[in-house]
Amino acid sequence: DAGVIQSPRHEVTEMGQEVTLRCKPISGHDYLFWYRQTMMRGLELLIYFNNNVPIDDSGMPEDRFSAKMPNASFSTLKIQPSEPRDSAVYFCASSPKALRGGSPYQPQHFGDGTRLSIL
Amino acid sequence: GIQVEQSPPDLILQEGANSTLRCNFSDSVNNLQWFHQNPWGQLINLFYIPSGTKQNGRLSATTVATERYSLLYISSSQTTDSGVYFCAVEIGDMRFGAGTRLTVKP
Repeated sequence: DAGVIQSPRHEVTEMGQEVTLRCKPISGHDYLFWYRQTMMRGLELLIYFNNNVPIDDSGMPEDRFSAKMPNASFSTLKIQPSEPRDSAVYFCASSPKALRGGSPYQPQHFGDGTRLSIL
Repeated sequence: GIQVEQSPPDLILQEGANSTLRCNFSDSVNNLQWFHQNPWGQLINLFYIPSGTKQNGRLSATTVATERYSLLYISSSQTTDSGVYFCAVEIGDMRFGAGTRLTVKP
């Protein structure tokens, strides 16, 4: 089975440009998560979706960031306008339907990440 | 907010040695997970362990929720165990520790 697929793997762009990161979750998974990893702040949860609906976006750093999930097989994370401090590795993860009372966070399957550099 | 502290920050082992990684958290949590990030940056979910003990091959984990800590044991370490090990706690959202960087030398 294909895992979580992220694109692009690497992106280098100049500050002020719009950046779009893409994610295809594992088929049949109900939850989709976006994470960011930097040396300074480590791993941070940005937002997660349940059945395409955003549930918790408290980790989204500011209005320049937006995430959408138009259908069960596709999600985007957009940064507009981008800034050098947005440089990071962005991971997408998905997980199956939670058992009654169970956690949406397990087991999470991660994509290989997008390494973003804003110059 | 909740603090998640991992120790040691760095660990160097000879192949075949055993090790224990620790994760302390400052408040009650709903769940706890352990992840491995390999040297190529890939993240793998190792354990979902809100309490008790689980084992998977040479790895096992124990969480004592009442005392707010979790331990990850690696036995007979191999070079492929190298990488960074993260614990993450769930308190509505997910909070990650800073990780333990493990290097296993042949």
